[in-house]
Amino acid sequence: EIVLTQSPATLSLSPGERATLSCRASQSVSSYLAWYQQKLGQAPRLLIYDASNRATGIPARFSGSGSGTDFTLTITSLEPEDFAVYYCQQRSNWPRTFGQGTKLEIK
Amino acid sequence: QVQVVESGGGVVQPGWSLRLSCAASGFTFSTYGMHWVRQAPGKGLEWVAAIWYDGSGKKYADSVKGRFNLSRDNSENTLSLQMNSLRVEDTAVYYCVREGTNNWFDFWGQGTLVTVSS
Repeated sequence: EIVLTQSPATLSLSPGERATLSCRASQSVSSYLAWYQQKLGQAPRLLIYDASNRATGIPARFSGSGSGTDFTLTITSLEPEDFAVYYCQQRSNWPRTFGQGTKLEIK
Repeated sequence: QVQVVESGGGVVQPGWSLRLSCAASGFTFSTYGMHWVRQAPGKGLEWVAAIWYDGSGKKYADSVKGRFNLSRDNSENTLSLQMNSLRVEDTAVYYCVREGTNNWFDFWGQGTLVTVSS
């Protein structure tokens, strides 16, 4: 099973600041990595797929990069609605696995 | 618009069974793979099971293999998860999820809560 490790567990920033979230895989997943956003009480929403492609309707301030084992989600200028939990997920191997999440909170 | 709506959650005792359903609409259900993903209270996401668009293939997490069975009815646009021998650790919100044309989880239902407790 591929283990995805996200860091940091919690990130405290202010609106307007830049957020950088990391996801590291226990073995290469090529570019088969996605990022999801989950707000309290809501279902997750797909943000980024295939490491760097924005899903439909996702603002340009969200971007993804990386390949192999190291991936980054960057939010260039935080809006109030961006404070949420973010998960990475791989589809390189079965079982599909998620990282444990990074909570982005308002400082 | 695309919708997936889960039902069937509830409170059961350990060892009991429960059947979750997912009603899909707004897209051609028979051409998409479907998954269940669960989330224990206050915890992260855990993939549970997948079924191919035509039902010809299935995959399960080790934690549910042999206890859960996933099926679909493409004539009724429904997905079902039969959960047997439920354990306390199966307590979670269960999400029905579409695997999009990009092969990622592009639409999620709002989830149904399953509580296993004595």
